[in-house]
Amino acid sequence: QKEVEQDPGPLSVPEGAIVSLNCTYSNSAFQYFMWYRQYSRKGPELLMYTYSSGNKEDGRFTAQVDKSSKYISLFIRDSQPSDSATYLCAMSGGGGGNKLTFGTGTQLKVEL
Amino acid sequence: NAGVTQTPKFRVLKTGQSMTLLCAQDMNHEYMYWYRQDPGMGLRLIHYSVGEGTTAKGEVPDGYNVSRLKKQNFLLGLESAAPSQTSVYFCASREGGIKETQYFGPGTRLLVL
Repeated sequence: QKEVEQDPGPLSVPEGAIVSLNCTYSNSAFQYFMWYRQYSRKGPELLMYTYSSGNKEDGRFTAQVDKSSKYISLFIRDSQPSDSATYLCAMSGGGGGNKLTFGTGTQLKVEL
Repeated sequence: NAGVTQTPKFRVLKTGQSMTLLCAQDMNHEYMYWYRQDPGMGLRLIHYSVGEGTTAKGEVPDGYNVSRLKKQNFLLGLESAAPSQTSVYFCASREGGIKETQYFGPGTRLLVL
């Protein structure tokens, strides 16, 4: 079993929809949680960063972490065609080089 | 400020050939990382460095070597390329301390025939 599980999709939604992307994890030592966005043939770019449990909002994006359930989510409001990309969750327990463990990514397509 | 850059962008190798991938960052970051990305496997850590002159193994280090002679550069070497090393390689850097965020380069596509 992988430490981080993420549904690969693809997920197709109409423009303006609310998108929910999720990851589950098994390592209770994880305390730093990130969402990266990766456009086709590009490197991942950081979208959201959260420490421990709770919510964080940035414009149309909201990240949620529920450590008790080992579950993290990314919500995208008023989705746009430009949001079409692969979304990777990543997490770290800190220490030892602070290595990140990534989910496999969810491919999102926002249709006009 | 270019961030993280990678050279080359694309390369085709024959089995058994060697090559070096170069990663450079201009953010004065302490930590640097090499990942490979394969369909259905996500990003997997190959090697990483916590400072100039240091290297450590990641999740999938076999068949690769690295060097960090200068703080701004992190080299990934393939001594004898194999078709299983066909992948997209990403370099990343991180400031260090409590800053967990890693910044990624644009990637190098490698095809081993």
